[in-house]
Amino acid sequence: QKEVEQNSGPLSVPEGAIASLNCTYSDRVSQSFFWYRQYSGKSPELIMSIYSNGDKEDGRFTAQLNKASQYVSLLIRDSQPSDSATYLCAVKSRGSTLGRLYFGRGTQLTVWP
Amino acid sequence: SQTIHQWPATLVQPVGSPLSLECTVEGTSNPNLYWYRQAAGRGLQLLFYSVGIGQISSEVPQNLSASRPQDRQFILSSKKLLLSDSGFYLCAWRENRAPSYNEQFFGPGTRLTVL
Repeated sequence: QKEVEQNSGPLSVPEGAIASLNCTYSDRVSQSFFWYRQYSGKSPELIMSIYSNGDKEDGRFTAQLNKASQYVSLLIRDSQPSDSATYLCAVKSRGSTLGRLYFGRGTQLTVWP
Repeated sequence: SQTIHQWPATLVQPVGSPLSLECTVEGTSNPNLYWYRQAAGRGLQLLFYSVGIGQISSEVPQNLSASRPQDRQFILSSKKLLLSDSGFYLCAWRENRAPSYNEQFFGPGTRLTVL
């Protein structure tokens, strides 16, 4: 059973702060990692992909991957109220055919002005 | 660029009625296609996936079925809806060629309420 765990939150941060979202996964041979943002009532939107250990930055977003610890995180710098959403972590195993992803249940983030 | 469409956007159906949800992708060929369901307060559940016309794999046994009559068309069906079929149905696609970074992209979804 491949599991992806996220703290369900809600995580509440003030505007301008750094929001830190965490995700752990059980399958050691996982190879691809994704963060999706889902606004209430909308479909998930891919915001970050990371494939190797270390940090990957894209604007205000930084994804961090540590395969040894089976841990991936998403940092949102200078958080804005528009960042308020549920963030889904998704993982693809190396042995997974056809691009099957395993999703966490998501962390709800609220950024208050 | 690629675009994914789903319809209808919302649907209210009585228990026992049939269902047909449609998904189409533009701007790519031979994509991998996926149907997910997101029930209230729950995570994404993979229902079906397809690697080509007529090729369907099911993840969870249930009263739903899927078909892929054309390369970029994916249909989710049911002969008789249950109350437990209510949820947010999402279609997703992924490039089916190397190099593939396994990124999946979601359509806008169909919100189904079974009464």
